[in-house]
Amino acid sequence: DAKTTQPPSMDCAEGRAANLPCNHSTISGNEYVYWYRQIHSQGPQYIIHGLKNNETNEMASLIITEDRKSSTLILPHATLRDTAVYYCIVRSYGGSQGNLIFGKGTKLSVKP
Amino acid sequence: EAQVTQNPRYLITVTGKKLTVTCSQNMNHEYMSWYRQDPGLGLRQIYYSMNVEVTDKGDVPEGYKVSRKEKRNFPLILESPSPNQTSLYFCASRKWTSDEQFFGPGTRLTVL
Repeated sequence: DAKTTQPPSMDCAEGRAANLPCNHSTISGNEYVYWYRQIHSQGPQYIIHGLKNNETNEMASLIITEDRKSSTLILPHATLRDTAVYYCIVRSYGGSQGNLIFGKGTKLSVKP
Repeated sequence: EAQVTQNPRYLITVTGKKLTVTCSQNMNHEYMSWYRQDPGLGLRQIYYSMNVEVTDKGDVPEGYKVSRKEKRNFPLILESPSPNQTSLYFCASRKWTSDEQFFGPGTRLTVL
């Protein structure tokens, strides 16, 4: 069963912030939220992950609600190259927990 | 450059002709895995390996074999390919203590 729910598609204007939501209402205490993206048939690319605090790196910011039941990935200044399918994944961290379960993701289209 | 490489990138073959898709990583990662991606089904894990000589089945292992004789290599073997194995295949790796998976560029396989 899918652990996350994402909208199937979103549009964003180039240069604007892209805010991609994800619901994970059944997340357990030791599960992290991960975001990956896949640009047209290329290998998926790691973006960011977090447990309960907001996280930021050079690619994006991750905002996790206080109850941890939902999160938002923010691309602060979207470019055409950010057009991709974005996957939100929840799972335990590292070790033998190897399988990333990719759902259908959100297809983000960045338009000029 | 840290990377996961796969060969070949494209392959068209016929039913029953044994083939091997190679995967190699130069990051000294312990964990490696294979995924297949099909329209409407997303990415599904085929096999994974937590270290040399340690392999285990993923979600869709039927019709595939793997081996892990060296840390850097994780070949995927199709002993008798069938048309339902036509797919886009990705190899991935990560450090045991991390959860950032690095994906290869993909191998598009067509079995006639």
